[in-house]
Amino acid sequence: NAGVTQTPKFRILKIGQSMTLQCTQDMNHNYMYWYRQDPGMGLKLIYYSVGAGITDKGEVPNGYNVSRSTTEDFPLRLELAAPSQTSVYFCASVGGGYEQYFGPGTRLTVT
Amino acid sequence: QKEVEQNSGPLSVPEGAIASLNCTYSDRGSQSFFWYRQYSGKSPELIMSIYSNGDKEDGRFTAQLNKASQYVSLLIRDSQPSDSATYLCAVNLSGGSYIPTFGRGTSLIVHP
Repeated sequence: NAGVTQTPKFRILKIGQSMTLQCTQDMNHNYMYWYRQDPGMGLKLIYYSVGAGITDKGEVPNGYNVSRSTTEDFPLRLELAAPSQTSVYFCASVGGGYEQYFGPGTRLTVT
Repeated sequence: QKEVEQNSGPLSVPEGAIASLNCTYSDRGSQSFFWYRQYSGKSPELIMSIYSNGDKEDGRFTAQLNKASQYVSLLIRDSQPSDSATYLCAVNLSGGSYIPTFGRGTSLIVHP
C-alpha cells in the first residue's frame, strides 16, 4: 500500500493564480481531510469528506474548494491565491480506530 | 469551544532519560486520543492511540489516559536523539466523531 500520496511536493504561485493540490489514498477509507500548517502552529482543518460526493467545511475553508468524486481522490482547489495561503498542506484519511494517516505534504508559497 | 492544550516547549531531556509529554482537553465526552510525532519538514505519523483509562505500552512509549482529570500523557523511556521532534496530541469528541482536535504540539529535544 502506498497509503496517502500528495502532489506536488512544492509549488510557487503568483498572487491571483489558481492550482489544485492532489491527494489519493489506497486504503479504501471513507473519511478524508485537508489541513494547513503554518510555521510553529498546529494543524487547521480546511475541508473534510465523509465519502464520495459528500464534503463539508472545516475551520478555515475560505479561499479553497474541494470535490470528492471517488473514494480514492480528494483534490483541494485554490482559487485566486493570496500570500495568506502560503503554508504546508497535508491530506489525511482515517482508519477504523479513528487514527489518521497523513500524506507527505505540499509546501506552497504565494508571492 | 473544544480545546486541546499542550505546552509548546521545548522540552529538553538528556539521552537515556524519560521524556514526559502532557495534553489536556476540554470536552469531557471525548472518546479517542492519539499521539503523533512530526519531524521537522515531515508529516505527522501516528505513534500511539488510547481509548480507555489507564496505561497503554508500546515499546519505549507509554500513553496514559485519565478521563476524570481530562488529560492524556505520553512517556518516552530511554529517550534517544532520534526522538527529537514535535509531538501532537489529538482528541476525538464524543459520539464517534471522525473530526479530531489537535493541540499545537510540544517540541522535544533529546541531547546526547
